[in-house]
Order: sequence, then C-alpha cells, then structure tokens
Amino acid sequence: GAGVSQSPRYKVAKRGQDVALRCDPISGHVSLFWYQQALGQGPEFLTYFQNEAQLDKSGLPSDRFFAERPEGSVSTLKIQRTQQEDSAVYLCASKGPIYTEAFFGQGTRLTVV
Amino acid sequence: QQPVQSPQAVILREGEDAVINCSSSKALYSVHWYRQKHGEAPVFLMILLKGGEQKGHEKISASFNEKKQQSSLYLTASQLSYSGTYFCGTEGNSGAGSYQLTFGKGTKLSVIP
Repeated sequence: GAGVSQSPRYKVAKRGQDVALRCDPISGHVSLFWYQQALGQGPEFLTYFQNEAQLDKSGLPSDRFFAERPEGSVSTLKIQRTQQEDSAVYLCASKGPIYTEAFFGQGTRLTVV
Repeated sequence: QQPVQSPQAVILREGEDAVINCSSSKALYSVHWYRQKHGEAPVFLMILLKGGEQKGHEKISASFNEKKQQSSLYLTASQLSYSGTYFCGTEGNSGAGSYQLTFGKGTKLSVIP
C-alpha cells in the first residue's frame, strides 16, 4: 500500500488479556518506530527497528511489552497481561534514511477494561 | 531526552500569527514538525537539517538554531485549518547507529473566526 497500515484500528481487551498490534510500514522503509500516545499527550517513544534489528527498546514501559520485526518489514507490538494504564493509542511510523520525514499509521486505540 | 515545547496551548483569531518553540538538551541532526488533528495520525509539515536546509511542503516557515539546539515554527496569517496539535520531533544519535526520533508533548493551537 501507499502508506503505513496498522491493525486493528480499535481493540478492547479485558484486563489480563494479551494483545498483538500490527504495523505494515511503507515498502522499503528501513526504520520503524512504535509510540504510545495517551489522550491529549504527545507520542511517547517505545521502540525502534532498523530493518529486523531492534536497536532501541528503552521506551518500553515494562517487560510485558514486546516488539518484533522478524523479516524487516511488518512489525508486531505485543502486550501481555494488559493493565488499565496500557489504554492509549499506539502509533507506528516508518521512515527512510536520516534527514527524511516519518510517516505515521492511523494508530490502534487500545482500551483495557 | 524529550524536547520541550512552548507554549502548551495558544488561541488565535483568524489572520493572527503564532510562534511555537522547541528546545532540546541533546545535539541534534534534524528537527521535524508535525501537526495532528483530533483522532488522526500526525502529518508531516517540515524538516530542518543541520546546515540550514529546510524541506517542507506547506506555507509554514521554521528556523533551527543548531548551537542552541532550538527550533521555532512560524504560523502567519492563521487559517481555521491550522487548528490542531503541533509536535516537534528531534532526530539525534542515540548510539549504536540508532537515530531516534523523539517528540515533544505538543502545542495545542486553536484558530477561531
């Protein structure tokens, strides 16, 4: 596709349930970022991939959060044993080389009840 | 380190001007500006590079002071369509060949008739 695609757009999970959020980046984009955006806040960095290598995962809030990009294209963000504080919009962005713009997906709105 | 934006919010009448500031404590390679409307993904406005080059595709201007690690976004003769939350993103070397894109908390701009 032409842009970054994320699925599902909306996810309601019961507390304690595991969820998996998918990101399809723009073809050929080496860099992929995951961000967490709480209501009214800016995107908070979670993790960064360069191809299949996860170069920075310093923003992942706990060991319940796990991200992968096994073939350097599609990425999955997995959250285990979801908690209410995990409720947020999860944004994925892909990017070409340094000094180029990032393109964002529409995000996945996760609500933990 | 997350860049700091100011002001947090601003209300303008149509036709008025505004300046949004962004500062970082880290050495920067580039500064990105994005606008996000409610419920939508952030959309790229402009990128400013070390050495003064600008790349953008809207009639919005910006400056980048590399020494002070500061950037300002200038919105002149504001239109209703300018309303949204503006984020600056700073691109810097976070080590191990990783160029992390980190966003500020955002500036909410409201343009009223």
